Amino acid sequence: GDSVTQMEGPVTLSEEAFLTINCTYTATGYPSLFWYVQYPGEGLQLLLKATKADDKGSNKGFEATYRKETTSFHLEKGSVQVSDSAVYFCALRAGANNLFFGTGTRLTVIP
Amino acid sequence: SQTIHQWPATLVQPVGSPLSLECTVEGTSNPNLYWYRQAAGRGLQLLFYSVGIGQISSEVPQNLSASRPQDRQFILSSKKLLLSDSGFYLCAWTGTSVYNEQFFGPGTRLTVL
Repeated sequence: GDSVTQMEGPVTLSEEAFLTINCTYTATGYPSLFWYVQYPGEGLQLLLKATKADDKGSNKGFEATYRKETTSFHLEKGSVQVSDSAVYFCALRAGANNLFFGTGTRLTVIP
Repeated sequence: SQTIHQWPATLVQPVGSPLSLECTVEGTSNPNLYWYRQAAGRGLQLLFYSVGIGQISSEVPQNLSASRPQDRQFILSSKKLLLSDSGFYLCAWTGTSVYNEQFFGPGTRLTVL
């Protein structure tokens, strides 16, 4: 069945460090892929998305490329800030109601 | 633009008491609606989803139930809360296309004592 496997956290980085959070998926067909961010005490917000192979989603300095050959959608940012501290969720949508979320990765950025 | 509301924002209830959480969406029609629970430090667990008025699909058998009395209203209920029902409850909506992302409400923090 469809699923998302996400890098386990927590991840702790110093400010201005490079960030990678790995996400791989299993799906039949051609899913859309998403990254969501959850700040403390809040709901999830869409960070970026890609709807077909080789698409790159980007927002707020974060990027992720839809790699069909490796079934991956890794999240990257070149220089993290303290304000990026949050929980990040990778997600997949393969149909009207086939929505799957990873378990979330907690990122803490220290000054 | 679309917005999604949830209330209450926080709730403390004794074991065995009833529960009613409400979610409403504005600015869209015929959305797919979802209830998730997030236990402390854990991922999202899909509880229910609905593709239309009166249509509810349950993903996890438990003492919770959901109803959709109106197109843009989704209610999560329980007749008798358990300690294990504590968590952060999130409502979400999405359009029907595979390209549509989900939009989440601000959540309700439920503590059962």
